[in-house]
Amino acid sequence: QKEVEQDPGPLSVPEGAIVSLNCTYSNSAFQYFMWYRQYSRKGPELLMYTYSSGNKEDGRFTAQVDKSSKYISLFIRDSQPSDSATYLCAMRTGANSKLTFGKGITLSVRP
Amino acid sequence: KAGVTQTPRYLIKTRGQQVTLSCSPISGHRSVSWYQQTPGQGLQFLFEYFSETQRNKGNFPGRFSGRQFSNSRSEMNVSTLELGDSALYLCASSPQGETQYFGPGTRLLVL
Repeated sequence: QKEVEQDPGPLSVPEGAIVSLNCTYSNSAFQYFMWYRQYSRKGPELLMYTYSSGNKEDGRFTAQVDKSSKYISLFIRDSQPSDSATYLCAMRTGANSKLTFGKGITLSVRP
Repeated sequence: KAGVTQTPRYLIKTRGQQVTLSCSPISGHRSVSWYQQTPGQGLQFLFEYFSETQRNKGNFPGRFSGRQFSNSRSEMNVSTLELGDSALYLCASSPQGETQYFGPGTRLLVL
C-alpha cells in the first residue's frame, strides 16, 4: 500500500462547478499537509499548507484535513478554465522532513 | 526575487552515460530538494541538502547523488543511465526546509 493515495482522474467539469479533490494516507505520523498545482511544462506551485485538522480557506480554495480518517481534500469553488492543471497532494511528518506526494489528478475545466 | 532556475531544461543521453543537472535556489534559501517525476510513479523525493549537508534521502539507488555548494547552488548526478531514468527532474528550494518553491524542471530522455 502506498503511503499516499490520490484519485487518478482525469477529471473534467464545466466552468462554475465545485470541484472536490481527495487524498488518503496510511502513515499516521504525517502532520503537515499541502496541495500543489502544476501547469503543463511547469514545476508545482504551492496552493495550500495546513497543519491541523479542520478547514482552511483561501479565496475560491478550501483545504480540509481529517486526521482521524487520514483523509485530506481540496475544494475549488466557481471553477475557471484557468484552474485546468494537475493537482498534487503532499504531506510530511515534521517541519523539515521529506515531502511525500500523491500521484496527482489532472483537472480540466470546460468553458 | 528570481525564482528557482534549473539547467539544462532538456537533455538527451544514451544508456550507460552519466548526467549532471544544476539548480540555483531562490536567493537566501539554504535548503534544496530534488525530485523525480514520471507518469507511472508521480513525484518521488530523491534527496535534500541544507547548508551543504545531505539532510534527507529518498529510496533511490546510489547511482543518484547530489551535492550543494557554499552559495546554496546544487547539482544532481546520475551515473550509468538506464532507460527508466527518463523523467522530469525537479528542484525545490526553501529558506529552512518547510515551504518549497519548485523550479521548472529538467526533462531527461535516455535512449
